[in-house]
Amino acid sequence: DVKVTQSSRYLVKRTGEKVFLECVQDMDHENMFWYRQDPGLGLRLIYFSYDVKMKEKGDIPEGYSVSREKKERFSLILESASTNQTSMYLCAISGEVEAFFGQGTRLTVV
Amino acid sequence: GENVEQHPSTLSVQEGDSAVIKCTYSDSASNYFPWYKQELGKRPQLIIDIRSNVGEKKDQRIAVTLNKTAKHFSLHITETQPEDSAVYFCAARRGGSYIPTFGRGTSLIVHP
Repeated sequence: DVKVTQSSRYLVKRTGEKVFLECVQDMDHENMFWYRQDPGLGLRLIYFSYDVKMKEKGDIPEGYSVSREKKERFSLILESASTNQTSMYLCAISGEVEAFFGQGTRLTVV
Repeated sequence: GENVEQHPSTLSVQEGDSAVIKCTYSDSASNYFPWYKQELGKRPQLIIDIRSNVGEKKDQRIAVTLNKTAKHFSLHITETQPEDSAVYFCAARRGGSYIPTFGRGTSLIVHP
């Protein structure tokens, strides 16, 4: 069974805080992704990584950064959280065929 | 980059009816087209996929068709059941890439 685990299901943070969302996989996949899910907008790619210490911007990277120090762990960082970053965040891994998603982190910025 | 359009955004059907969700893509180099189902409060999960060398694929009550010339693909669900109620996402991925581009999703509601 593939496991993609996100550290929190729900988070509430204050505007201006630095926020870390963690994702861990047990499949030894090179490729890891962070998506943001908003109603009516689908899944939008924030950042992805295809190897340790490698990262690439996705479609909506503004206000976010990422870190991949170990193959199994991919972190999404909100440098200074803002209310428009209130959303569901999904981590995913992808190999030859399907993508596997984490359970999601619902982040509320107040 | 790739752009995937998905319609409709909401689909309401009666139990037993068929449901069809349509997607178009822009990148002619895309060759892998998965469909994901996301039940309320759960993660998206792959339900069926199709590669560009195939025109149709079936798995019990669900099927996917692909028209490469027109750059569109569709998900067909027959004999819908209440447990089919979910958000469905189509996606497209080009050859040599591991990055799927997703459509905006279709919320399917099956009324008992």
